[in-house]
Amino acid sequence: QSVLTQPPSASGTPGQRVTISCSGSSSNIGSNFVYWYQQLPGTAPKLLIYRSNQRPSGVPDRFSGSKSGTSASLAISGLRSEDEADYYCAAWDASLSGWVFGGGTKLTVL
Amino acid sequence: QVQLVESGGGVVQPGGSLRLSCEASGFTLSNYGMHWVRQVPGKGLEWVALIRYDGNNKYYADSVKGRFTISRDNSKNTLYLQMNSLRVEDTAVYYCANLTYWGQGTLVTVSA
Repeated sequence: QSVLTQPPSASGTPGQRVTISCSGSSSNIGSNFVYWYQQLPGTAPKLLIYRSNQRPSGVPDRFSGSKSGTSASLAISGLRSEDEADYYCAAWDASLSGWVFGGGTKLTVL
Repeated sequence: QVQLVESGGGVVQPGGSLRLSCEASGFTLSNYGMHWVRQVPGKGLEWVALIRYDGNNKYYADSVKGRFTISRDNSKNTLYLQMNSLRVEDTAVYYCANLTYWGQGTLVTVSA
């Protein structure tokens, strides 16, 4: 059971906008930044969003992050087939004195 | 070009030890907090350990506390994970990362 809760799956058709949620608590998301990662099959995770809503250079602006209270969301607009991957949220947890990850969401592009 | 290359994975019996290494290039490892994150094949990511940029503070997941030790050698720009008293449930791909950049991972298999 992960400290951060994500839906196990999400789906959309090409061109659609999908959102993936990440629910936590006051000790993690509620008081710290959220990070989002994309993991394609057989590869290492890739940073998509840092500090809850910042995109590293090279990440398309189709990807956006937001945070409200103890929850965060990753939005992907203009869905493409190459977006089919696993997505993870992460944050520092002050109560645990450690980082925590969500269980991951498998995104399927129909 | 930033690169992180892990090594040291392999097959070990329960109760055994392994030391993983992560050599960094393209950036100075000691300027960043560095993590080990693991992933059981087909499962999600699990954070393992963190060494802060100053090297004075280290943090561990409860599942490895007392058995694993994170360290680094600034002269070699290399991060380490000493893993003792290994258990079957420690079997996973181990990644080193500064949360922006990740290595390709090294597989640790604990099996009799």
